[in-house]
Amino acid sequence: QQQVKQSPQSLIVQKGGISIINCAYENTAFDYFPWYQQFPGKGPALLIAIRPDVSEKKEGRFTISFNKSAKQFSLHIMDSQPGDSATYFCAANSGYSTLTFGKGTMLLVSP
Amino acid sequence: DAGVTQSPTHLIKTRGQQVTLRCSPKSGHDTVSWYQQALGQGPQFIFQYYEEEERQRGNFPDRFSGHQFPNYSSELNVNALLLGDSALYLCASSLGQEAFFGQGTRLTVV
Repeated sequence: QQQVKQSPQSLIVQKGGISIINCAYENTAFDYFPWYQQFPGKGPALLIAIRPDVSEKKEGRFTISFNKSAKQFSLHIMDSQPGDSATYFCAANSGYSTLTFGKGTMLLVSP
Repeated sequence: DAGVTQSPTHLIKTRGQQVTLRCSPKSGHDTVSWYQQALGQGPQFIFQYYEEEERQRGNFPDRFSGHQFPNYSSELNVNALLLGDSALYLCASSLGQEAFFGQGTRLTVV
């Protein structure tokens, strides 16, 4: 049973545009929702994370929006750059940091 | 401050062999988790170690085992390797819920 559903599977955005990736979860016990960025051949790097008591968190060009009632959260990348081209994973956990990941979104930012 | 370090970075093994992967956590982190990432997929949780004990385990067979040492470093052992074990193996260290990953070990089973 996939507990975190991520969409879209792939995304092409023009330079300067907004990239939006969505995730939905089922387990209401989840209380921590991070986003990771992964480049080919590298490990995932923590980008930004949010907890359910906050509806939005912004760090630089990256923003997480969180909708607790809908059990959904999304990543917005403003002013997308070619260097943002990577695979993005949403994740969720509760308790001892055992992360459940979405299947990933391959983002390509065209110059 | 060194982040999470894993060794080796790449490894080629033959079916039926055994392999040991190593992980040094980020300074101050007491918890180490291991994940398997197949090509084009998200990481899948294998197990987690805390205070030298396996605290949680994912849906992986007993061929996958691990260990955590008093300095919090950890090993992942896989016995009787199968072709399907070919993947990127990721170690993550954490203190609380925030987890940081190493660069991974690319295991190829031939």
